[in-house]
Amino acid sequence: QKEVEQNSGPLSVPEGAIASLNCTYSDRGSQSFFWYRQYSGKSPELIMSIYSNGDKEDGRFTAQLNKASQYVSLLIRDSQPSDSATYLCAVPLMDTGRRALTFGSGTRLQVQP
Amino acid sequence: EAGVTQFPSHSVIEKGQTVTLRCDPISGHDNLYWYRRVMGKEIKFLLHFVKESKQDESGMPNNRFLAERTGGTYSTLKVQPAELEDSGVYFCASSWGETQYFGPGTRLLVL
Repeated sequence: QKEVEQNSGPLSVPEGAIASLNCTYSDRGSQSFFWYRQYSGKSPELIMSIYSNGDKEDGRFTAQLNKASQYVSLLIRDSQPSDSATYLCAVPLMDTGRRALTFGSGTRLQVQP
Repeated sequence: EAGVTQFPSHSVIEKGQTVTLRCDPISGHDNLYWYRRVMGKEIKFLLHFVKESKQDESGMPNNRFLAERTGGTYSTLKVQPAELEDSGVYFCASSWGETQYFGPGTRLLVL
């Protein structure tokens, strides 16, 4: 089992729809969770961070965390073509003793106009 | 506020040569990380500085890689001698707390 796992996609949604991106992680002790967006050839850009169980909303983005299920998701409402990118789930895994991030392989999102 | 900067943006070298990558973190950020993404794989951690000290270098692939952080400011990552499998994108990130901010990366191609 990968330490941080994501469906590689591509996930294709029509413009205006809700895109749902999912991530599971291996370490039950992990405390913080990050979603980064990466456009092709560019650097990862922080979209959301979440630390507590439940939902956290920021504009069109909502992060959802369920520590019991070791699952974190990102919802993008009213998806726009400009949201087309790869979305990376990143977790500092406590069992590694590191503060560094362990990344999933990323989910490629395509928003169709 | 200036973001994380990296130099060069691209480097093409031959196997056996030496390459030095530079990262300038966001001013005031004590934590500096190096990561690497090789073709088709996820981004992987290389090492972590706190100020000028190496906090964690468990991700460094082998002793051909040498990282330094002079005076706790900018950092360099030297690959000597470079091998074909070192090709990829090298990212630097910095943070004051938990949130890491990434630079644009250096795309390294070893021929």
